[in-house]
Amino acid sequence: DGGITQSPKYLFRKEGQNVTLSCEQNLNHDAMYWYRQDPGQGLRLIYYSQIVNDFQKGDIAEGYSVSREKKESFPLTVTSAQKNPTAFYLCASSILSGGYGELFFGEGSRLTVL
Amino acid sequence: AQSVTQLDSQVPVFEEAPVELRCNYSSSVSVYLFWYVQYPNQGLQLLLKYLSGSTLVKGINGFEAEFNKSQTSFHLRKPSVHISDTAEYFCAVSGLGAGNMLTFGGGTRLMVKP
Repeated sequence: DGGITQSPKYLFRKEGQNVTLSCEQNLNHDAMYWYRQDPGQGLRLIYYSQIVNDFQKGDIAEGYSVSREKKESFPLTVTSAQKNPTAFYLCASSILSGGYGELFFGEGSRLTVL
Repeated sequence: AQSVTQLDSQVPVFEEAPVELRCNYSSSVSVYLFWYVQYPNQGLQLLLKYLSGSTLVKGINGFEAEFNKSQTSFHLRKPSVHISDTAEYFCAVSGLGAGNMLTFGGGTRLMVKP
């Protein structure tokens, strides 16, 4: 089955540690995205990438980093510079031509910083 | 620039009652409209979308939405809700002038009571 796989689903880390969240898709989609979701709030865009080896900052990129070395993979690193990293993180993908912007989402990763 | 406003952050309703979740958008170009549903600790799942043609769009789980261009609205409706419809619902818009990037509303929490 085609889809988006995020791992791990739950992650606990100590303050000051960097954390990398994995996102893999086998939909052959061009674009991939990372969103952050806090309790009772909507989705905020962290980073997105429309092509391999290129990515753009979203609305809340500070304290985060990404890479896009392969079309299928778009890992997100939450660095120690992120002031409040505890949140639910969602990865998504889309086709660029003819997709009308429709996003396909993974199941999410919940990060808790202790 | 585009924006989406979901007028109600929470909507409580009794089981088997009808429900309407309101969504208004702002855009200077032609739009494509989407409704997504999110169950607790899961990713977002597409409920329905409007791309063109008939303004009444039917989706999964008995939901439907009507595109009203003059009122810039895309309200979601269901004639009879079930307990299992309890979830967060997000309205989103993309447009030709925005590179097909989706803009999300803040979400509406539907709470179905027995």
